[in-house]
Amino acid sequence: DAKTTQPTSMDCAEGRAANLPCNHSTISGNEYVYWYRQIHSQGPQYIIHGLKNNETNEMASLIITEDRKSSTLILPHATLRDTAVYYCIVYNYGQNFVFGPGTRLSVLP
Amino acid sequence: NAGVMQNPRHLVRRRGQEARLRCSPMKGHSHVYWYRQLPEEGLKFMVYLQKENIIDESGMPKERFSAEFPKEGPSILRIQQVVRGDSAAYFCASSPPWSGGPGEQFFGPGTRLTVL
Repeated sequence: DAKTTQPTSMDCAEGRAANLPCNHSTISGNEYVYWYRQIHSQGPQYIIHGLKNNETNEMASLIITEDRKSSTLILPHATLRDTAVYYCIVYNYGQNFVFGPGTRLSVLP
Repeated sequence: NAGVMQNPRHLVRRRGQEARLRCSPMKGHSHVYWYRQLPEEGLKFMVYLQKENIIDESGMPKERFSAEFPKEGPSILRIQQVVRGDSAAYFCASSPPWSGGPGEQFFGPGTRLTVL
Protein backbone atom coordinates (compact mmCIF):
# COMPACT_ATOMS: atom_id res chain seq x y z
CA ASP A 1 0.00 0.00 0.00
CA ALA A 2 1.13 3.53 -0.76
CA LYS A 3 2.43 5.50 2.19
CA THR A 4 0.95 8.69 0.77
CA THR A 5 -2.49 10.18 0.27
CA GLN A 6 -3.31 12.73 -2.41
CA PRO A 7 -6.50 14.35 -3.70
CA THR A 8 -7.99 12.45 -6.58
CA SER A 9 -8.15 15.40 -8.93
CA MET A 10 -7.49 19.13 -9.18
CA ASP A 11 -8.05 21.89 -11.71
CA CYS A 12 -5.77 24.83 -12.32
CA ALA A 13 -6.06 27.80 -14.67
CA GLU A 14 -3.33 28.14 -17.27
CA GLY A 15 -0.61 30.53 -16.12
CA ARG A 16 -1.48 30.14 -12.46
CA ALA A 17 0.47 28.22 -9.84
CA ALA A 18 -0.63 24.64 -9.27
CA ASN A 19 -0.24 23.49 -5.67
CA LEU A 20 -0.50 19.74 -5.24
CA PRO A 21 -0.64 18.47 -1.65
CA CYS A 22 0.52 15.12 -0.32
CA ASN A 23 0.21 13.57 3.13
CA HIS A 24 2.84 11.10 4.31
CA SER A 25 2.33 10.95 8.06
CA THR A 26 4.19 7.63 8.51
CA ILE A 27 7.36 8.68 6.70
CA SER A 28 10.54 7.50 8.43
CA GLY A 29 13.64 9.59 9.02
CA ASN A 30 15.67 8.29 6.10
CA GLU A 31 12.92 8.28 3.49
CA TYR A 32 12.73 10.86 0.76
CA VAL A 33 9.67 12.42 -0.83
CA TYR A 34 9.63 12.00 -4.60
CA TRP A 35 7.30 13.43 -7.19
CA TYR A 36 6.71 11.95 -10.61
CA ARG A 37 4.12 12.67 -13.24
CA GLN A 38 2.61 10.60 -16.01
CA ILE A 39 1.36 12.41 -19.07
CA HIS A 40 -1.34 10.43 -20.82
CA SER A 41 0.04 6.88 -20.96
CA GLN A 42 3.74 7.71 -21.22
CA GLY A 43 6.36 6.48 -18.77
CA PRO A 44 6.47 8.37 -15.45
CA GLN A 45 8.68 11.45 -15.53
CA TYR A 46 10.80 12.48 -12.56
CA ILE A 47 10.02 15.96 -11.25
CA ILE A 48 11.77 16.57 -7.94
CA HIS A 49 12.65 15.01 -4.62
CA GLY A 50 13.58 16.16 -1.13
CA LEU A 51 14.39 14.97 2.38
CA LYS A 52 13.87 17.84 4.81
CA ASN A 53 14.60 21.11 3.10
CA ASN A 54 12.55 22.79 0.45
CA GLU A 55 13.83 22.14 -3.06
CA THR A 56 13.51 23.94 -6.38
CA ASN A 57 14.50 23.01 -9.89
CA GLU A 58 13.59 24.13 -13.38
CA MET A 59 10.31 22.24 -13.27
CA ALA A 60 8.89 22.77 -9.81
CA SER A 61 9.33 23.56 -6.13
CA LEU A 62 8.85 21.14 -3.27
CA ILE A 63 7.80 22.39 0.13
CA ILE A 64 8.13 19.88 2.98
CA THR A 65 6.64 20.67 6.38
CA GLU A 66 8.96 20.77 9.37
CA ASP A 67 7.51 17.55 10.81
CA ARG A 68 7.83 15.97 7.32
CA LYS A 69 4.31 14.61 7.50
CA SER A 70 3.17 16.44 4.41
CA SER A 71 4.49 18.24 1.37
CA THR A 72 3.32 20.39 -1.53
CA LEU A 73 4.50 20.32 -5.11
CA ILE A 74 4.28 23.73 -6.76
CA LEU A 75 4.23 24.25 -10.51
CA PRO A 76 4.72 28.03 -10.61
CA HIS A 77 3.12 28.79 -13.98
CA ALA A 78 1.04 25.84 -15.13
CA THR A 79 0.65 25.24 -18.86
CA LEU A 80 -1.67 22.94 -20.75
CA ARG A 81 1.23 20.51 -21.15
CA ASP A 82 1.33 20.07 -17.37
CA THR A 83 -1.97 18.21 -17.50
CA ALA A 84 -1.04 14.79 -16.08
CA VAL A 85 -1.36 12.43 -13.13
CA TYR A 86 1.04 13.47 -10.38
CA TYR A 87 2.39 10.86 -8.00
CA CYS A 88 3.86 11.57 -4.57
CA ILE A 89 6.07 8.70 -3.39
CA VAL A 90 7.99 8.03 -0.19
CA TYR A 91 11.19 6.20 -1.05
CA ASN A 92 14.70 5.26 -0.06
CA TYR A 93 17.48 3.36 -1.76
CA GLY A 94 16.77 -0.33 -2.15
CA GLN A 95 13.03 0.11 -1.75
CA ASN A 96 10.51 -0.14 -4.50
CA PHE A 97 8.44 2.77 -5.67
CA VAL A 98 4.90 2.31 -4.43
CA PHE A 99 2.58 4.30 -6.64
CA GLY A 100 -0.78 5.34 -5.30
CA PRO A 101 -3.57 6.57 -7.59
CA GLY A 102 -2.01 10.06 -7.69
CA THR A 103 -3.68 13.39 -8.40
CA ARG A 104 -5.10 14.02 -11.85
CA LEU A 105 -4.25 17.66 -12.59
CA SER A 106 -6.20 19.35 -15.35
CA VAL A 107 -4.83 22.69 -16.53
CA LEU A 108 -7.66 24.68 -18.05
CA PRO A 109 -7.28 27.38 -20.73
CA ASN B 1 23.05 9.78 -22.80
CA ALA B 2 20.13 7.78 -24.12
CA GLY B 3 17.27 7.14 -21.75
CA VAL B 4 15.78 3.82 -20.77
CA MET B 5 14.84 1.89 -23.90
CA GLN B 6 12.04 -0.62 -24.10
CA ASN B 7 11.01 -2.79 -27.00
CA PRO B 8 8.76 -3.57 -28.51
CA ARG B 9 6.57 -0.56 -27.80
CA HIS B 10 3.46 -2.52 -28.72
CA LEU B 11 3.06 -6.28 -28.61
CA VAL B 12 0.03 -8.33 -29.59
CA ARG B 13 -0.23 -11.96 -28.56
CA ARG B 14 -2.94 -14.59 -28.69
CA ARG B 15 -3.93 -16.44 -25.56
CA GLY B 16 -1.42 -19.18 -24.75
CA GLN B 17 1.52 -17.56 -26.54
CA GLU B 18 4.65 -16.20 -24.89
CA ALA B 19 5.50 -12.53 -24.54
CA ARG B 20 9.06 -11.23 -24.18
CA LEU B 21 9.59 -7.63 -23.16
CA ARG B 22 13.04 -6.07 -23.28
CA CYS B 23 14.52 -3.22 -21.31
CA SER B 24 17.90 -1.56 -21.81
CA PRO B 25 18.77 0.61 -18.81
CA MET B 26 20.49 3.96 -19.01
CA LYS B 27 24.24 3.85 -19.45
CA GLY B 28 25.95 3.22 -16.13
CA HIS B 29 22.79 1.98 -14.43
CA SER B 30 23.00 -1.47 -12.91
CA HIS B 31 19.56 -1.66 -11.30
CA VAL B 32 16.39 -2.46 -13.19
CA TYR B 33 12.79 -2.43 -12.01
CA TRP B 34 9.66 -3.66 -13.78
CA TYR B 35 6.19 -2.25 -13.16
CA ARG B 36 2.78 -3.12 -14.59
CA GLN B 37 -0.04 -0.67 -15.16
CA LEU B 38 -3.53 -1.94 -15.84
CA PRO B 39 -5.94 0.42 -17.63
CA GLU B 40 -7.06 3.31 -15.44
CA GLU B 41 -4.85 2.16 -12.54
CA GLY B 42 -1.53 3.21 -11.02
CA LEU B 43 1.77 1.42 -11.57
CA LYS B 44 2.36 -1.74 -9.55
CA PHE B 45 5.86 -2.96 -8.72
CA MET B 46 6.76 -6.39 -10.06
CA VAL B 47 10.47 -7.11 -9.71
CA TYR B 48 13.82 -5.47 -8.92
CA LEU B 49 16.99 -6.84 -10.47
CA GLN B 50 20.68 -6.12 -10.48
CA LYS B 51 23.06 -7.68 -12.96
CA GLU B 52 22.55 -11.48 -12.79
CA ASN B 53 20.59 -11.20 -9.54
CA ILE B 54 16.94 -10.91 -8.59
CA ILE B 55 16.82 -8.66 -5.54
CA ASP B 56 13.07 -8.47 -4.93
CA GLU B 57 10.36 -10.31 -6.83
CA SER B 58 7.60 -9.79 -4.31
CA GLY B 59 5.33 -8.22 -6.92
CA MET B 60 5.64 -10.96 -9.51
CA PRO B 61 2.73 -13.36 -10.06
CA LYS B 62 3.71 -16.81 -8.83
CA GLU B 63 3.21 -18.51 -12.17
CA ARG B 64 3.99 -17.76 -15.81
CA PHE B 65 6.07 -14.62 -15.12
CA SER B 66 9.86 -14.49 -14.94
CA ALA B 67 12.54 -11.83 -15.26
CA GLU B 68 16.25 -11.76 -15.82
CA PHE B 69 19.02 -9.20 -16.17
CA PRO B 70 22.04 -10.99 -17.63
CA LYS B 71 25.62 -9.81 -17.43
CA GLU B 72 25.41 -8.74 -21.06
CA GLY B 73 22.33 -7.49 -22.83
CA PRO B 74 18.96 -6.12 -21.81
CA SER B 75 16.68 -7.15 -19.00
CA ILE B 76 13.90 -9.48 -20.14
CA LEU B 77 10.43 -9.84 -18.67
CA ARG B 78 8.91 -13.08 -19.91
CA ILE B 79 5.26 -14.02 -19.70
CA GLN B 80 4.38 -17.56 -20.65
CA GLN B 81 0.96 -18.72 -21.79
CA VAL B 82 -0.50 -15.22 -21.78
CA VAL B 83 -4.12 -14.63 -20.80
CA ARG B 84 -6.37 -11.64 -21.48
CA GLY B 85 -5.77 -10.34 -17.95
CA ASP B 86 -2.09 -9.84 -18.81
CA SER B 87 -3.05 -7.00 -21.18
CA ALA B 88 -1.41 -3.93 -19.67
CA ALA B 89 1.41 -1.44 -20.04
CA TYR B 90 4.70 -2.74 -18.70
CA PHE B 91 7.23 -0.13 -17.65
CA CYS B 92 10.88 -0.61 -16.93
CA ALA B 93 12.95 1.78 -14.81
CA SER B 94 16.65 1.91 -14.05
CA SER B 95 18.76 3.53 -11.38
CA PRO B 96 22.50 3.92 -10.84
CA PRO B 97 24.56 2.09 -8.21
CA TRP B 98 24.31 3.52 -4.73
CA SER B 99 26.31 6.71 -4.39
CA GLY B 100 25.20 8.04 -1.05
CA GLY B 101 21.72 9.17 -2.00
CA PRO B 102 18.44 7.42 -2.71
CA GLY B 103 18.93 7.36 -6.49
CA GLU B 104 15.85 8.22 -8.47
CA GLN B 105 14.47 5.78 -11.00
CA PHE B 106 14.28 6.73 -14.66
CA PHE B 107 11.41 5.19 -16.60
CA GLY B 108 11.19 3.92 -20.14
CA PRO B 109 8.27 4.55 -22.50
CA GLY B 110 6.67 1.21 -21.75
CA THR B 111 5.52 -1.81 -23.72
CA ARG B 112 1.80 -2.12 -24.31
CA LEU B 113 0.82 -5.76 -24.36
CA THR B 114 -2.52 -6.74 -25.85
CA VAL B 115 -3.70 -10.32 -25.53
CA LEU B 116 -6.38 -11.34 -28.00
